Amino acid sequence: EVQLVESGGGLVQPGGSLRLSCAASGFTFSTFAMSWVRQAPGKGLEWVSAISGSGGSTHYADSVKGRFSISRDNSKNTLYLQMSSLRGEDTAVYYCAKDDGGYDPLDWFDPWGQGTLVTVSS
Amino acid sequence: QSVLTQPPSVSGAPGQRVTISCTGSSSNIGAGYDVHWYQQLPGTAPKLLIFGIINRPSGVPDRFSGSKSGTSASLAITGLQAEDEADYYCQSYDSSLSSYVFGTGTKVTVL
Repeated sequence: EVQLVESGGGLVQPGGSLRLSCAASGFTFSTFAMSWVRQAPGKGLEWVSAISGSGGSTHYADSVKGRFSISRDNSKNTLYLQMSSLRGEDTAVYYCAKDDGGYDPLDWFDPWGQGTLVTVSS
Repeated sequence: QSVLTQPPSVSGAPGQRVTISCTGSSSNIGAGYDVHWYQQLPGTAPKLLIFGIINRPSGVPDRFSGSKSGTSASLAITGLQAEDEADYYCQSYDSSLSSYVFGTGTKVTVL
């Protein structure tokens, strides 16, 4: 069974940093692209970032470009999201999700982790 | 703000049919990119419902169906059941933004 388990969320002050992790199991991690998707409280879904299976290609939403960095350690089956210069509008539940294959415009996300809450507030 | 527009809410009685629209543009749905649908039950993570416009993952009832025409896509739920009460999101890719995009989301209420 494919499982994704996020961790690392919490309360952080504006301008601060946080690193999220997503532990994957049940599939050959290195052969699939992975994404981060977030959901602000009471709001809709927003794609944040994606990384290819090898880690050699990364992609970001304009809203986080230059502030967030996605990476992966295929030896540990773990996906990361390094977030810096955090703002109030970054407050959200952050989900990791497995892409259908390699990074491709036709991709869908399945499955999703349970999410980890990031709160940016002073 | 999302580039894919959905109605905020739809409702129907048990057993009825409801449809959810997802309206995009020539840089996403109209450009030929696939549309996928997710169901998010209260307090849970989204779950894939339809992929590649019309395909259902294993375990998804055939009461759920998808379609696409021009710059829009639709999700239909027939034989509405109480367990279908959830938020539904469409998803595609936008070539102008060079990013995946989600719809604004639709809350389905079973009367």
